Amino acid sequence: NAGVTQTPKFRVLKTGQSMTLLCAQDMNHEYMYWYRQDPGMGLRLIHYSVGEGTTAKGEVPDGYNVSRLKKQNFLLGLESAAPSQTSVYFCASSQREKLFFGSGTQLSVL
Amino acid sequence: AQTVTQSQPEMSVQEAETVTLSCTYDTSENNYYLFWYKQPPSRQMILVIRQEAYKQQNATENRFSVNFQKAAKSFSLKISDSQLGDTAMYFCAFSLPTGTASKLTFGTGTRLQVTL
Repeated sequence: NAGVTQTPKFRVLKTGQSMTLLCAQDMNHEYMYWYRQDPGMGLRLIHYSVGEGTTAKGEVPDGYNVSRLKKQNFLLGLESAAPSQTSVYFCASSQREKLFFGSGTQLSVL
Repeated sequence: AQTVTQSQPEMSVQEAETVTLSCTYDTSENNYYLFWYKQPPSRQMILVIRQEAYKQQNATENRFSVNFQKAAKSFSLKISDSQLGDTAMYFCAFSLPTGTASKLTFGTGTRLQVTL
């Protein structure tokens, strides 16, 4: 049972580089989310989606873009990475109030 | 906007003892959900327990139970018979009722160390 799968698990970028984080869920959930986790700050919502073809801003959306072209996938993009985007990124999905999380992506921007 | 506060950055408990982690929240809503998530060193976010605000009865899951005080906006987690595997970060979280995306608001976490 895969659940929520994130790729890659680790990545190092140089300032100004771009990259895309991929999230895939096999539970047919309508809702998907991207969070970031920083030391001492808990998890904060970046963007979320309420269904295929829809996206919405969360608490900290600046510097990120997302797309949900297929129901099972939710992509998080960084167009021009900055050191402030060094963080652990979590994807999650839900059908109701219970969220299922991926195992996270450790991103370092040098 | 909702806020969640965890005032204990770190706690320690001996194996087999009981420990209580504190969480307070602020909201003007009457109906909502509260959660405790566990994050072990593996980084995986694991749902420990869930409470619906309209239910007066405190939720329990095996060794884990909550003390939900709606008027005081308090939601503490009690871990009984602590085990070494309980060592982890614990996050309290809040969400409004479903019908739309369940956007969680997290506290800053409490690091729990279980010792021999």
